[in-house]
Amino acid sequence: AQTVTQSQPEMSVQEAETVTLSCTYDTSESDYYLFWYKQPPSRQMILVIRQEAYKQQNATENRFSVNFQKAAKSFSLKISDSQLGDAAMYFCAYRSALNTDKLIFGTGTRLQVFP
Amino acid sequence: KAGVTQTPRYLIKTRGQQVTLSCSPISGHRSVSWYQQTPGQGLQFLFEYFSETQRNKGNFPGRFSGRQFSNSRSEMNVSTLELGDSALYLCASWENYGELFFGEGSRLTVL
Repeated sequence: AQTVTQSQPEMSVQEAETVTLSCTYDTSESDYYLFWYKQPPSRQMILVIRQEAYKQQNATENRFSVNFQKAAKSFSLKISDSQLGDAAMYFCAYRSALNTDKLIFGTGTRLQVFP
Repeated sequence: KAGVTQTPRYLIKTRGQQVTLSCSPISGHRSVSWYQQTPGQGLQFLFEYFSETQRNKGNFPGRFSGRQFSNSRSEMNVSTLELGDSALYLCASWENYGELFFGEGSRLTVL
């Protein structure tokens, strides 16, 4: 069975600085997808960034980028130029490339952004 | 397009009662999945439906059930409620391996 581990329950960063959130996963599959989702307080979960396992190039979305290390089964999220609006719970998630939309989530990292 | 709509947003039940939650996916999306979010267990997969068929089920007791209608709307039902069923229930929809879109959730409190 696949598992996703986020070892940082809480992180904090100052506005305009850079922060990296860690995620490791375990799977025996070779083809899969990895995601970072953001859940602001009392608001809905939104997709931050996704990575296809077959792609070697790390995904980037504006200030958000990932460091995908397939062999090490590591998938960290880097947030550059942090903004107050980045404060939220961040969840790392895994999805098999098989015919399913089941997501396996990590326990989440609460990110605080200080002015 | 309208987003994923979940109703009701908040509800309070007592132990032993049952509850039905509804989810309307984004127009054109045929796949719907449900997740339970609690502080202790985090986000756990409940089940997923595609074209009215349950395609996958998480490790939850039989008190948790769901269904999907021909218009892709989905409902989940929890019978004989227990205190531990208090949670935020999230619904998500997607279309053909695209992005998963989540609703705002239904927050269930069991007293």
